[in-house]
Formats: sequence, C-alpha cells, structure tokens
Amino acid sequence: SQQGEEDPQALSIQEGENATMNCSYKTSINNLQWYRQNSGRGLVHLILIRSNEREKHSGRLRVTLDTSKKSSSLLITASRAADTASYFCATNAGNMLTFGGGTRLMVKP
Amino acid sequence: KAGVTQTPRYLIKTRGQQVTLSCSPISGHRSVSWYQQTPGQGLQFLFEYFSETQRNKGNFPGRFSGRQFSNSRSEMNVSTLELGDSALYLCASSAGAGNLGEQYFGPGTRLTVT
Repeated sequence: SQQGEEDPQALSIQEGENATMNCSYKTSINNLQWYRQNSGRGLVHLILIRSNEREKHSGRLRVTLDTSKKSSSLLITASRAADTASYFCATNAGNMLTFGGGTRLMVKP
Repeated sequence: KAGVTQTPRYLIKTRGQQVTLSCSPISGHRSVSWYQQTPGQGLQFLFEYFSETQRNKGNFPGRFSGRQFSNSRSEMNVSTLELGDSALYLCASSAGAGNLGEQYFGPGTRLTVT
C-alpha cells in the first residue's frame, strides 16, 4: 500500500504559470522528500523537508509540510516546458521510503 | 562523481526463468535500495542493503532476493518469473543507512516477462 497520495493525479498548465501538487500521508514520518521522474527514467531528488520543518525553498521550488494534517505541498513557480514530468512525494518512516502515486505535470509552451 | 549505474538497461525473459540485475552505487555510498515500478502498483520498496547486510525488506515474496558486495555493488535476483514481474526496477544509493537522506537513482532496468 502507498503511504503518500498525490493530488491531482494529472495537471496541465501553460508555461509561466505556477504548479501546485499536494501529498497526504498516513503515519508519523522522519522526513518527506519530493522527486521528479521524466518518462520511464530514474528519479531525481528535488528537496527534502524534515518533520520539524514547515517550509523549504530551492530555486523555483517551495515545499510546505503540515505534520498535524499529514500533508505536504510542492509549488513550482514560473513553470517551463522542461518541468514536464511526474512528481512523487516519498515519506521516510521506519527507515523505508514509501512513494505516493505521483502527479503527472504537463507544461505547454 | 559518476552516477548510479544499472545493468542491463533492458531485459526480456520468459515465465519461469530467473533474472539477475546489477547496480553500482555512487562511489563512497554504502546503502543501496531497490524499487519496483509498475503502472498499477506504482513505486514499491523491495529492500535496502547497507554494508553487505539487508536492513529492510518490503512486502514482496521470497522469489525476490538481493545481496551486496564488499565494494557496495548490489544485485537483485528474481526467480521463477511471473508475468506480473514485468516492471521498471530502480536502484538508489545513499551515503547513510535507513533511507533518511537523499536517494540517488539509477536509470533503471526495464524487465519484460513473456
């Protein structure tokens, strides 16, 4: 079973717009990570947020974490066509990474 | 540093056969984790090896096994292949154990079972 669930499952936006993806999980976590995957290839780590952190930034990425609601969001600002990919949240609990189902993002030029 | 490498990249096997996949982690990384990715089940954790010891195992049958060598390279083996084993198998390496930090993923091995 999956610990994290992403919402929406698919998102289509125009270049320049912001994209927001949400992740909900079920149990207490050590940290939450976001990864990107381009079509059928390996995953690329984007950002890690610890359970005692509420917000983190990295370039055009902003991640928030609400442990009371067991949820996180990933915001990509000023999106580019190259951001087209699947995005996954992964929660670390019990020394295992458990991935959500992912959000497929399409950025139209 | 060279990234995580996986061999082979593509593999076609027949039901009932067995297969061995290989993963070479980033130099200096001692943890290697394996994941199975399918359209239906998504990304699922198989197991993690750290310093040649299996630390964690996901919910997979005993047909799935692995090992890690003293140079941190890892192999996973699937015996008595089933059609449902068709998937992208990803390995990831990290410096520390327990998947607490950033995972560096390889490009994957796409296994097709016919």
